[in-house]
Order: sequence, then C-alpha cells, then structure tokens
Amino acid sequence: EVQLVESGGGLVKPGGSLRLSCAASGFTFSNAWMSWVRQAPGKGLEWVGRIKSKTDGGTTDYAAPVKGRFTISRDDSKNTLYLQMDSLKSEDTAVYYCSTDSCALGGVCYWGQGTQVTVSS
Amino acid sequence: EIVLTQSPGTLSLSPGERATLSCRASQSVTSSSLAWYLQKPGQSPRLLIYGASSRATGIPDRFSGSGSGTDFTLTISRLEPEDFAVYYCQQFGSSNTFGQGTKLEIK
Repeated sequence: EVQLVESGGGLVKPGGSLRLSCAASGFTFSNAWMSWVRQAPGKGLEWVGRIKSKTDGGTTDYAAPVKGRFTISRDDSKNTLYLQMDSLKSEDTAVYYCSTDSCALGGVCYWGQGTQVTVSS
Repeated sequence: EIVLTQSPGTLSLSPGERATLSCRASQSVTSSSLAWYLQKPGQSPRLLIYGASSRATGIPDRFSGSGSGTDFTLTISRLEPEDFAVYYCQQFGSSNTFGQGTKLEIK
C-alpha cells in the first residue's frame, strides 16, 4: 500500500522556522519527483515547489512566494521528503501536502493527507 | 509563470445533469501536462484526468477531458451525488500552477 505521511506541522510565530517531513512507502521513492502543495484556509491549491530525482539531477524549483525562504530536500535512504520553512509569514498558514510531482503527465500520482501549519503571534 | 483561470467559480446543477467546467491558460500549455483534480472537504485532491484527456485509474467514464493550447474542458456527463465537490485544473511545467477552482454544488 502506498503511503505519504506528513509530519512536523504546528503553530509558529512570524519570522520563525519549521521543518516538515513526508515519509513515503509502497513505491520507489528515489525515482519520483516530489512536490509540496499548500492550501490556505478556505482557499485553493497552491504549488510550493518540487525536487527532482537524483537521477534527473536532484534540482529544485520553487513558487515565487516562497523562493529564498523555503528549501526542499530529500533523503532517499530514508524515503523521506523535507520542507524547511524559514522567515515564516502569516500568509504561509495552510495545510501542506506532499505529493508526487508528475501526476499531470500520467506518472505515479500519490498525495499525503496534509499537515497544518499556523503562523501567528 | 502560467496562470490558469477556471470558470465558472460556482456551478449549481442537479444530479443527472451534465457539467462543463473550463480552464483557460495565460499561455499555451502542452496537452500532455494538463490535469484535473477533485477535492472534497477535509480530503486530499484526487486525480481525475491527466494529459488533458486520459482518465486516471478507477475514474468512471462519465468524466472526460478535452482541449488544447490555452482552453481545456472537464465534462461530467451525468452527475452523481458524489461528484459535488471542488474541481481544480493543474499544469506541469518549470513551475507548476493550479487554477483557483470551480465549486460544483447541488441545485
């Protein structure tokens, strides 16, 4: 059974940092491009960024609102994806989902259940 | 960045009716990189259509996708009660983007 399980969410003050993790199982994680997607309360889906597989260079891409503040990394030996979030703002408050990145192309498509991040003083 | 604009924002229909949802891109999108998702409250998004017109595994054939270039459409031929939800289009590229969503509600 395929699982993506996010953890690490919580309440953090503006300007603070948080690291989210996404533990993957049931598929070949090392071959997958992985993404983070977020959803602010009552709002739509927003792509945060991706990390390619090591085979494809392991490089990252980010959405403009988080570039320079968020860092995506992966540990293929632990089948885990990470999102390091620094200089957090109230507008970063959202449910954060990890997912495979190539759903639109017909590749493997898996989503986690999400973890809540609240940025508030 | 490619901006996806979905219309209408809200669609009110009855079970058994046909639904047509639109997704317009700010610049041309490769058909192979356009997807549609359904999301119900408190749940993760579920892939319906990939490559603009291919149904994902387990998706009923009442769902169909079409379009090319900048205009894409999701059609639900006969609405079932479980189809009432929010629908998003997404494009895959150097920077992925989602549309703002269409809420399909029971009339």
